[in-house]
Parts: sequence; structure tokens; C-alpha cells
Amino acid sequence: LAKTTQPISMDSYEGQEVNITCSHNNIATNDYITWYQQFPSQGPRFIIQGYKTKVTNEVASLFIPADRKSSTLSLPRVSLSDTAVYYCLVARGSQGNLIFGKGTKLSVKP
Amino acid sequence: EAQVTQNPRYLITVTGKKLTVTCSQNMNHEYMSWYRQDPGLGLRQIYYSMNVEVTDKGDVPEGYKVSRKEKRNFPLILESPSPNQTSLYFCASSLPGKQETQYFGPGTRLLVL
Repeated sequence: LAKTTQPISMDSYEGQEVNITCSHNNIATNDYITWYQQFPSQGPRFIIQGYKTKVTNEVASLFIPADRKSSTLSLPRVSLSDTAVYYCLVARGSQGNLIFGKGTKLSVKP
Repeated sequence: EAQVTQNPRYLITVTGKKLTVTCSQNMNHEYMSWYRQDPGLGLRQIYYSMNVEVTDKGDVPEGYKVSRKEKRNFPLILESPSPNQTSLYFCASSLPGKQETQYFGPGTRLLVL
């Protein structure tokens, strides 16, 4: 099972781009990289998933280098409402035991 | 509306008094899972179920039981709660083969005195 390492916390200001990197050195061939966002007093919610290269949706972009041993979640022009904890998960679809890790607490200031 | 529901949302109990936290999903998902969330420790998986009558331990199963008699329900049982089980609990579900993409419930905050 792939374990992940993320920064515990990050600070940013409104309007800036934020990049959160996750390390996953023992990622397996069939593993996908999935990021979740958790607001205070809510359950985590899926925001983006990728296997390699770059994925972009209306919320974020996900950059994955060729060796797939790390990934970077990019949030463009953050606002106060992006203040949340972000979790990186490395797992395959058939896997039952999932290891989420400790997450990165992002604080966006005005 | 597609959702995962948990009850109760808040619970205060005393050591040793058996309790059950219910979890229900209306998306016909086969996979369901329970997590606990503690400050500084992130999300840790307690138990998961790949399908009806199929359950397995996650990373922190001690002190917990689960059952999966129907596809939509996955209750978490604390037979004899202790203060170290004070935590925020989340239930989640997903489609088969898409366990890495889960829908989470709103959480149950438990305090064991």
C-alpha cells in the first residue's frame, strides 16, 4: 500500500496560486492519485484524480511527473473559501484498505 | 439527492456503554468504509466492506465492530467505548472498482467520558 507525505500546513493570500506537493515513492503501476478537500465540520470531498501528466478541472489542476513518485495539486487564484484540509490518496480501484495520511491544512488570508 | 447519511451527528456517552453509529447511502454503492479523524493524525480507516456480508479490518480496528447485512447500511458498533475512542467519525461509500473515489458522510462527533 502506497503511503503519502504532505506538508502539514501552508499559508497563502487571496489571489495567489497555491501548489501542494505529495510524495508517494512506493506508488504501484495500477495506482491512481486522488485529492480530496475537507472544509471544517464537513466530510472530505473528491476534487481531482490523475494517473500521469496533467489533469485539469474547474476546481484545480494536478501535475504528475513521469516517475509518478510525487504529485502537485495546484489551486489557481485562491480565495478565503479555499481554506481547507487537502488530502492526497494513492490507491487502485480494487483496493479496500485505503491510507489517507495526515493532509495539508491550507489557510488563505485576505 | 445522492448522499451518505450518518446518525447521530453528535454523541456524548460514558465509558462502557455500548453504542451504534448508523451509516446509510442511497447510491447503490457496493463499497463502504469507516474512518476516524483525530487532530494531527488525519483520516485513518477503521473497517471497510467490499460488499454485503464482506467486511475487513482497516488500520485501526481495535475496539470497533461492523456489520453489512444490506447494501445501503454499514453501522459502526462500539461494544465498550473508552475515552481514547473520542473522535470524529466518517462513513464513506463508492462504486465497485472505484474505491479511491469516495463519497463521505457529514461526520459523527463522539465524546466518551
